[in-house]
Amino acid sequence: DIQMTQSPSSLSASVGDRVTITCRASQSITNSLNWYYQKPGKAPELLIYAASNLQSGVPSRFSGSGSGTDFTLTISSLQAEDFATYYCQQSDSNPPTFGGGTKVEI
Amino acid sequence: EVQLVESGGALVQPGGSLRLSCATSGFPFSSYTMNWVRQSPEKGLETVSAMTERGGSTYYSDSVKGRFTISRDNSKNTLFLQMNYLRVEDTAMYYCAKGHRTYGYSSWGQGTLVTVSS
Repeated sequence: DIQMTQSPSSLSASVGDRVTITCRASQSITNSLNWYYQKPGKAPELLIYAASNLQSGVPSRFSGSGSGTDFTLTISSLQAEDFATYYCQQSDSNPPTFGGGTKVEI
Repeated sequence: EVQLVESGGALVQPGGSLRLSCATSGFPFSSYTMNWVRQSPEKGLETVSAMTERGGSTYYSDSVKGRFTISRDNSKNTLFLQMNYLRVEDTAMYYCAKGHRTYGYSSWGQGTLVTVSS
């Protein structure tokens, strides 16, 4: 199975900050990487698919980059509603494994 | 509006069975791969099963293979997960999610809680 490692596991930030979250795959997955965010008590929501494609309805302050084994999710200017846990997921092969999550706190 | 509503979660003893349902609306159900994803504090997020649009292809994680069966009724826009021989480690929130993994799971239900305990 492909292992997905996110860093950091948590971070503290303020409204307006630029935030970067990293996801590393245990082997090359080309651009087969999705990002989700999840608020407490809610289901995950898709932010970005195929490494850099913004899901419909997602604000443009979110962006994704990377290929191969190293990927990045960037929030250009953190908003209050962005405080949540973020997960990456590789979609290159089954099982479609998720990272352990990055909690973004105030 | 896309809606996915799971039901069927409950407290069950080890070795027991449950059948989860996911009723959907707001999109052409028969045109989408559908998934069951579970989440627990211990194991995080895990795709346990998936089924293609007409049911021609299925996926099961190693942890549930041989015990869980995914199915769908395209005439009723509903996805199912039959769970047999349940184990304590199957305890989790179970989500129904829409879409093939390649494009991400674009919509999720609110989840249904399965607790396996004696």
